[in-house]
Amino acid sequence: AQTVTQSQPEMSVQEAETVTLSCTYDTSESDYYLFWYKQPPSRQMILVIRQEAYKQQNATENRFSVNFQKAAKSFSLKISDSQLGDAAMYFCAYRIPTQGGSEKLVFGKGTKLTVNP
Amino acid sequence: NAGVMQNPRHLVRRRGQEARLRCSPMKGHSHVYWYRQLPEEGLKFMVYLQKENIIDESGMPKERFSAEFPKEGPSILRIQQVVRGDSAAYFCASSPLQTYGYTFGSGTRLTVV
Repeated sequence: AQTVTQSQPEMSVQEAETVTLSCTYDTSESDYYLFWYKQPPSRQMILVIRQEAYKQQNATENRFSVNFQKAAKSFSLKISDSQLGDAAMYFCAYRIPTQGGSEKLVFGKGTKLTVNP
Repeated sequence: NAGVMQNPRHLVRRRGQEARLRCSPMKGHSHVYWYRQLPEEGLKFMVYLQKENIIDESGMPKERFSAEFPKEGPSILRIQQVVRGDSAAYFCASSPLQTYGYTFGSGTRLTVV
């Protein structure tokens, strides 16, 4: 079964610094998608960034970028120039390829990020 | 576009009562997903529905839980005879046909007392 592991239950970073959140996953598929979601205290799940496994280039969205190592099944999230509003739970997720267009996601347990002023 | 709307935001039920959670997908979205988040855990898939059809219910508990997405109206997740272990945040997400990402609602926090 596919699993997603986030080995850092909590991380902290100073405002304006850079932090990297780790994620590893287990799959036998060759084509899949990976995601990072942010969940602030409001509980809303917000998509931060997505990566297609067939693309070698790492995805980037403004201050957020990923380091995708397909052979190692690693998908870390780097947040540059951290801001107070980045404080949240961050979840790594893997999309299971299924029939009929279903996009069932498997989530890790999350990393709580604290940003210190 | 109002996004994915879930209500109520908070729901308190006594053990043995029924809980009904509603989800209105984004306009134009025909796929609805329900996830459950237990305390200190990530989201766990429960069920995937299209209009009037359950496509994948592999994550639904076998008893007491049901879901529907009628031709008209919101998707409903129904939990009968709730127990304390059902206390969790329940999230709905929707997507248009053939895409690789979807939008979550803000969730319903169910507390069973």
